Amino acid sequence: QKEVEQDPGPLSVPEGAIVSLNCTYSNSAFQYFMWYRQYSRKGPELLMYTYSSGNKEDGRFTAQVDKSSKYISLFIRDSQPSDSATYLCSLGADKLIFGTGTRLQVFP
Amino acid sequence: DAGVIQSPRHEVTEMGQEVTLRCKPISGHDYLFWYRQTMMRGLELLIYFNNNVPIDDSGMPEDRFSAKMPNASFSTLKIQPSEPRDSAVYFCASSSHRGPEAFFGQGTRLTVV
Repeated sequence: QKEVEQDPGPLSVPEGAIVSLNCTYSNSAFQYFMWYRQYSRKGPELLMYTYSSGNKEDGRFTAQVDKSSKYISLFIRDSQPSDSATYLCSLGADKLIFGTGTRLQVFP
Repeated sequence: DAGVIQSPRHEVTEMGQEVTLRCKPISGHDYLFWYRQTMMRGLELLIYFNNNVPIDDSGMPEDRFSAKMPNASFSTLKIQPSEPRDSAVYFCASSSHRGPEAFFGQGTRLTVV
């Protein structure tokens, strides 16, 4: 079993839709939970991170962590074509482990 | 700061040749990571360093791969001999002990024919 599981998609939604991206993990030792965004032919860039269970909001983005279920989510409200990218969940303790990424396409 | 700098951006080589990928981390960062990204396996951690010392190389696929960090501002990942299955995008990333965020370079796209 992989340490982090993420549905690769692709996910295609119309502009303005609410997007839900999810990951499950198996290692209880992970201390921080992160979401990275990667545009085509670029390196991943950090979107958000949190240390604890619960919700963290940043503009149109909300990260949710449920440690008891080992489940993390990223919600994007009012999605825009510029949100089209691959979203990778990342979990860390001494090192960062990444999910395979979900490719998101937001069409006008 | 210019961010993490990787070279070359693209590399095409023949099977059996030696390949060296280079990375300059962000100044002041004390962690350096090498990742490999493919469609099938996603972003895999190969090895990481703390203060120039290799801490965990369990992700290195086999003895053909080696990584060094001779000083705080430079690291190399070497593949010798290269094989077609090594074709991937290789990323270098660095971070500071002050926070968990890893900053990635633009990657090196390696094609072994």
